[in-house]
Amino acid sequence: TQLLEQSPQFLSIQEGENLTVYCNSSSVFSSLQWYRQEPGEGPVLLVTVVTGGEVKKLKRLTFQFGDARKDSSLHITAAQPGDTGLYLCAGAYTGTASKLTFGTGTRLQVTL
Amino acid sequence: NAGVMQNPRHLVRRRGQEARLRCSPMKGHSHVYWYRQLPEEGLKFMVYLQKENIIDESGMPKERFSAEFPKEGPSILRIQQVVRGDSAAYFCASSPSGGAPVGLHFGNGTRLTVT
Repeated sequence: TQLLEQSPQFLSIQEGENLTVYCNSSSVFSSLQWYRQEPGEGPVLLVTVVTGGEVKKLKRLTFQFGDARKDSSLHITAAQPGDTGLYLCAGAYTGTASKLTFGTGTRLQVTL
Repeated sequence: NAGVMQNPRHLVRRRGQEARLRCSPMKGHSHVYWYRQLPEEGLKFMVYLQKENIIDESGMPKERFSAEFPKEGPSILRIQQVVRGDSAAYFCASSPSGGAPVGLHFGNGTRLTVT
């Protein structure tokens, strides 16, 4: 069974702080995606990374794919209350490209 | 543009009844995926379908669960003789093509409660 671990599980910070969420696997991903899910809704795609070492920025969010394509990180700069939500990484492993394996998520709360 | 539409949003069934969950993909998307999210757990892949074909059902329980995506109409996830352990949020996603690195567009899910 391929496992995809996210850390931390829970994170409560104040507005303006920076944070990093990690996503790790012992297996190599062919690609990896990050989603955000709010209560009562489905996950919303934030980014897809494909190449080892790739860095993508989405406003205050920076996504990095590890060189070996086994891990990824999401860094948020100057967090805002609107960033509150469940952040999920999801990897496609080689040979199972259409089947995403999701991490258990990082629940982020940003307070004023 | 309408996103992925799932209905019903909430479904309550007694043990032993059947549950039918519907999913209409985004316009132009011919690939549909079903995922299940149990309380305090991550999303688990169930099945991947294209029109009239099941491509990968490796995440689907062998008994009581079935899925279809007919030529016309929505994709249906059917659970027969539901048990309490089937209580979960069931999410459908669609994409314009299969395979990585395509991102998935998710619906808002159907929350099934088995009493």
